[in-house]
Amino acid sequence: ELKVEQNPLFLSMQEGKNYTIYCNYSTTSDRLYWYRQDPGKSLESLFVLLSNGAVKQEGRLMASLDTKARLSTLHITAAVHDLSATYFCAVESGGSNYKLTFGKGTLLTVNP
Amino acid sequence: DTGVSQDPRHKITKRGQNVTFRCDPISEHNRLYWYRQTLGQGPEFLTYFQNEAQLEKSRLLSDRFSAERPKGSFSTLEIQRTEQGDSAMYLCASSATGGTEAFFGQGTRLTVV
Repeated sequence: ELKVEQNPLFLSMQEGKNYTIYCNYSTTSDRLYWYRQDPGKSLESLFVLLSNGAVKQEGRLMASLDTKARLSTLHITAAVHDLSATYFCAVESGGSNYKLTFGKGTLLTVNP
Repeated sequence: DTGVSQDPRHKITKRGQNVTFRCDPISEHNRLYWYRQTLGQGPEFLTYFQNEAQLEKSRLLSDRFSAERPKGSFSTLEIQRTEQGDSAMYLCASSATGGTEAFFGQGTRLTVV
């Protein structure tokens, strides 16, 4: 059974600081997603990482994937208040159904 | 709006009542998924359709839950004899053939009182 672990689960940081969220998963998968969720809202896709060594950047967020270590990171650079949200990583299971297994999420609060 | 659409957005029901939710996927997406998300947790997979065929159901989907996608387009999720533990956000997602990215709807928030 595929398991996805994120850490930290809670992250409080000051504006302007950098930090990294980690996502470990238990079985082989070559496709990993990062989503953002605002309170009471649905999931907004941030990144799709498709292969080992993949790195994608959008604004102050950068995601990377190491399939050999079964590890993805979401790096936040010079955080701003608007980044406050819950961030989920999700791993696509093998086989033909492409279902996603999610981590528990990281609640990020960026303080002025 | 060409995204995944879910209806209703919110539902409050009394324990023991039946509820039904609807999901309209992105046009021509043949894959459709239902997920459930409880407070403070990540979404959990419930069931998956390819066209009208329900190909996988999670163990989370008890006998009180049933999902259909009769014509391979919209889908419904019914919960019979609701319990307080059913209170959650029910999310629908769809994707095209070939394992492309799934897009999520806004969700239906169910509160069982």
